[in-house]
Amino acid sequence: ELKVEQNPLFLSMQEGKNYTIYCNYSTTSDRLYWYRQDPGKSLESLFVLLSNGAVKQEGRLMASLDTKARLSTLHITAAVHDLSATYFCAVLHSRAGTALIFGKGTTLSVSS
Amino acid sequence: KAGVTQTPRYLIKTRGQQVTLSCSPISGHRSVSWYQQTPGQGLQFLFEYFSETQRNKGNFPGRFSGRQFSNSRSEMNVSTLELGDSALYLCASSLEGRDYEQYFGPGTRLTVT
Repeated sequence: ELKVEQNPLFLSMQEGKNYTIYCNYSTTSDRLYWYRQDPGKSLESLFVLLSNGAVKQEGRLMASLDTKARLSTLHITAAVHDLSATYFCAVLHSRAGTALIFGKGTTLSVSS
Repeated sequence: KAGVTQTPRYLIKTRGQQVTLSCSPISGHRSVSWYQQTPGQGLQFLFEYFSETQRNKGNFPGRFSGRQFSNSRSEMNVSTLELGDSALYLCASSLEGRDYEQYFGPGTRLTVT
């Protein structure tokens, strides 16, 4: 059974500091997704990582993928309050199709 | 370009009833997936449709069913509702040939009383 594990599940961050969220998955996957969800809202796509060693950055967020270790990281640089949300990683359910298996999510709270 | 739309946005039903939720994908998208989100179980994959055919299915009981129409719009149905079916139901669509991009709709919040 394909499993996706994120840690930590909760992260209380101080403004200006750096943090990392880890996403481990149990079987091979062609791609790795990161999404953001604000309370009561839908999912917003952040990154799609397609190959080993892929690195993508958007603002204060940077995601990377190590397919050999089956590990992706989401690094937050100099956290700001606007980054408070829940972040999910996900991998493909199977090689045929686009269905995703999600981790449980990491809830970030940024305080000054 | 319009995004993924879901109707209704909110729904309250009674145990034992059935419900039908609708999802209209982005124009040109042929793949639609459905997910259930609850505080306890998180985001769980229900099923995926492509060109009117179910391509993948998650581990949900037969009370959960779906279909896709020729215009790629999709519906999911839950029969004999249980309290535990209360959840946010999300659908996502993707474009054939670029199916690494998935776009989520706003969701339908279902409350079963």
